[in-house]
Amino acid sequence: AQSVTQPDIHITVSEGASLELRCNYSYGATPYLFWYVQSPGQGLQLLLKYFSGDTLVQGIKGFEAEFKRSQSSFNLRKPSVHWSDAAEYFCAVTNAGKSTFGDGTTLTVKP
Amino acid sequence: EAEVAQSPRYKITEKSQAVAFWCDPISGHATLYWYRQILGQGPELLVQFQDESVVDDSQLPKDRFSAERLKGVDSTLKIQPAELGDSAMYLCASSQDRGDEAFFGQGTRLTVV
Repeated sequence: AQSVTQPDIHITVSEGASLELRCNYSYGATPYLFWYVQSPGQGLQLLLKYFSGDTLVQGIKGFEAEFKRSQSSFNLRKPSVHWSDAAEYFCAVTNAGKSTFGDGTTLTVKP
Repeated sequence: EAEVAQSPRYKITEKSQAVAFWCDPISGHATLYWYRQILGQGPELLVQFQDESVVDDSQLPKDRFSAERLKGVDSTLKIQPAELGDSAMYLCASSQDRGDEAFFGQGTRLTVV
């Protein structure tokens, strides 16, 4: 069975600092990989996705993620965090149409 | 911009009562998902439809939960009877086809008292 691990439950960064959120997945082949963001009381919004090709993918709001097959990782990055980025971030894996989500990382942004 | 519509946004119900949630996916999306999200956790798939057919309901507690998508468009998720442990956010999502990116609604926050 596929699984997704987000090792960091909570991360705090200062506004303007760089950010990296970690995601590791467990699956035999290369699945489809996604990052979503969720603001309090809201649904999930897609930030970016990886299906194949270039392992560095660009998303919305200045986010990017890098797929590393050897590490089974798909870490999310942003060079300079804005206060509005404070939210919960979910990594997801989809295989054969079935999606599995990690438990999320809550991002707090300090002024 | 097309959105996934869900109603109600919030629902408070007493345990042992019946409760229902409604979802209208983005027009033309063949795949519809219902997820349950417990506070502090990621969404967990309850049921997945491809058009009007259920393709995955392995995590749906079938003794109390039911879901339908009769005409392959909108969908209803029902809980009867509700239990205290059912308190959660219920998210509906849709995608053009299986494996495509999913678009989520704003969810229904259920509180069972």
